[in-house]
Amino acid sequence: QVQLVQSGAEVKKPGSSVKVSCKATGGTLSSYSISWVRQAPGQGLEWLGRIIPILDITHYAQKFQGRVSFIADKSASTVHMELSSLRSEDTAMYYCARDKGGTLGSWLDPWGQGTLVTVSS
Amino acid sequence: QSVLTQPPSVSGTPGQRVTISCSGSSSNIGSNIVNWYQQLPGTAPKVVINSDNERPSGVPDRFSASKSGTSASLAISGLLAEDEADYYCSALDDSLNGVVFGGGTKLTVL
Repeated sequence: QVQLVQSGAEVKKPGSSVKVSCKATGGTLSSYSISWVRQAPGQGLEWLGRIIPILDITHYAQKFQGRVSFIADKSASTVHMELSSLRSEDTAMYYCARDKGGTLGSWLDPWGQGTLVTVSS
Repeated sequence: QSVLTQPPSVSGTPGQRVTISCSGSSSNIGSNIVNWYQQLPGTAPKVVINSDNERPSGVPDRFSASKSGTSASLAISGLLAEDEADYYCSALDDSLNGVVFGGGTKLTVL
């Protein structure tokens, strides 16, 4: 049973970049598509995009185009999410999750435990 | 402002049946599957309904869902205290070419 384990909390300055990792255990990451979703404090869920590691294909939400990138390290069964030009509004819990159905818009299961990114001067 | 519209809150007493609505448009709910997620306090979301009305293994049959046109709804019957959580609907939006979520509905069990 695959599980997704994310890297630890980060505190960043405005204008800098952050990199969050998502490692698959109990299965091969290459077989899956991984989506990234964030949740600002007290707010709802927001989709950032997804990556298909086995094909190295990425798909970014329009809002984050040019500011977010996903990279797959297939040998380490790990996907990295990098968000640049950070501002206070990027303070949120960031989750990775598997696209269970395989296609864009399919359900997300399982989810990582989340990584809190705090942007503060 | 979320692309999918949900009521901010609903409530019910133990044993009751509650429904949570999710309103969208022809570019999302009207043409793609709807998925529902439950988020307990301090935890990651968990899927409770996928593909409009399918219940994943392990989800109690008290959870059901339906879809008609550009709207969908999640129903929880035999309400339990442990059902108190935030619930989100989600679908692919063809116009935005991305996944969208509802704003979330907080279910309170009185």
